[in-house]
Amino acid sequence: ETGVTQTPRHLVMGMTNKKSLKCEQHLGHNAMYWYKQSAKKPLELMFVYNFKEQTENNSVPSRFSPECPNSSHLFLHLHTLQPEDSALYLCASSPGQGAATNEKLFFGSGTQLSVL
Amino acid sequence: EDQVTQSPEALRLQEGESSSLNCSYTVSGLRGLFWYRQDPGKGPEFLFTLYSAGEEKEKERLKATLTKKESFLHITAPKPEDSATYLCAVQPISGGSYIPTFGRGTSLIVHP
Repeated sequence: ETGVTQTPRHLVMGMTNKKSLKCEQHLGHNAMYWYKQSAKKPLELMFVYNFKEQTENNSVPSRFSPECPNSSHLFLHLHTLQPEDSALYLCASSPGQGAATNEKLFFGSGTQLSVL
Repeated sequence: EDQVTQSPEALRLQEGESSSLNCSYTVSGLRGLFWYRQDPGKGPEFLFTLYSAGEEKEKERLKATLTKKESFLHITAPKPEDSATYLCAVQPISGGSYIPTFGRGTSLIVHP
């Protein structure tokens, strides 16, 4: 148990569906992240929240919509996805960004998403 | 632009056969270099952080080293349970962002 829990573990959805991914961290961290991991590609940063405020949006299409109601919970709302969006979506947390921090990331096990 | 290149892409070893994984990086200023291990179906798990050239860290059969241009992850007498993908990431010291940039990883398989 890494302290970061993601649900569901697997998700299959059609292009017209709306679904949400959930992430919860029990580490008392203040920063939370969404990453996309595709085969043969580096981890792609999608969004960063620091103290519940979005600090990074890495040019992610609007069909992905993040929500961070508090420092422990992070959601990724999905709608009208494309087949190329199929990937492993990883949530991570870290103590919180600042000039003096080295941000070691704690990852969840991910949601394996398949878009048909 | 920060860049991280890992080699080889894949590595197959016999149990007990020592080897090294490479992570070459380009960054304007290095705050930290991270190594992670990722097992199939799981998220990456933190292994080491290195901060400055010449630094070394060890954990069981793994030793990570750092120069100004690259880092090595040395695996001594590996066992099948060391099979995983090893990811390298660099965190810049400047530019206003502290987000690590990841490499593509090295997939290691250790045969019994």
